[in-house]
Amino acid sequence: AQKITQTQPGMFVQEKEAVTLDCTYDTSDPSYGLFWYKQPSSGEMIFLIYQGSYDQQNATEGRYSLNFQKARKSANLVISASQLGDSAMYFCAMREGHKGGTSYGKLTFGQGTILTVHP
Amino acid sequence: ETGVTQSPTHLIKTRGQQVTLRCSSQSGHNTVSWYQQALGQGPQFIFQYYREEENGRGNFPPRFSGLQFPNYSSELNVNALELDDSALYLCASSLGLAGGFGTQYFGPGTRLLVL
Repeated sequence: AQKITQTQPGMFVQEKEAVTLDCTYDTSDPSYGLFWYKQPSSGEMIFLIYQGSYDQQNATEGRYSLNFQKARKSANLVISASQLGDSAMYFCAMREGHKGGTSYGKLTFGQGTILTVHP
Repeated sequence: ETGVTQSPTHLIKTRGQQVTLRCSSQSGHNTVSWYQQALGQGPQFIFQYYREEENGRGNFPPRFSGLQFPNYSSELNVNALELDDSALYLCASSLGLAGGFGTQYFGPGTRLLVL
């Protein structure tokens, strides 16, 4: 079963508008973290935002916010006031707290969503 | 910029050869994770090194091996290259503590092409 599912292969948004990128996850671990990364065509993976499973409030970082719905196991990224430079691939990723009693930091990524911002 | 560097940026090898990729972690970080990203896919976890020891491995064969040095830089070695090893190889550094691991910050990647 997919641990991270991003159902939107591609999204289009007009400059200055808001856009939501969907992410659902699957885990039985009560302790986990959810991340969003941006990958421009250059290839570098840029960290955007983090949400911990025990965090009471939705994470925000500038124009990025994470709509965390724990019961639904969803962690959607909201980008407000889109800019042309936001055009890139966006990945949702999960880090589970423990595996076999050992804590390690493996990230499991989704397939990504290509965002195109139109002027 | 994250302060994570990788070398080389691009590499072309032939099937059966061996390759070594290098990664320098961000200052203050003691953990390096390696990922393979095939074209059009999300990155796949290869392994993680924490304080010079392998601390978790993904579903990759033993011909993928690594090292972490006392300064926390790291190498990824791939023996007997196959065509399917062609990919973008990303390393990420983070701070590992007794309670877990912090956010991973990625380098620019090494693009490997196997002919």
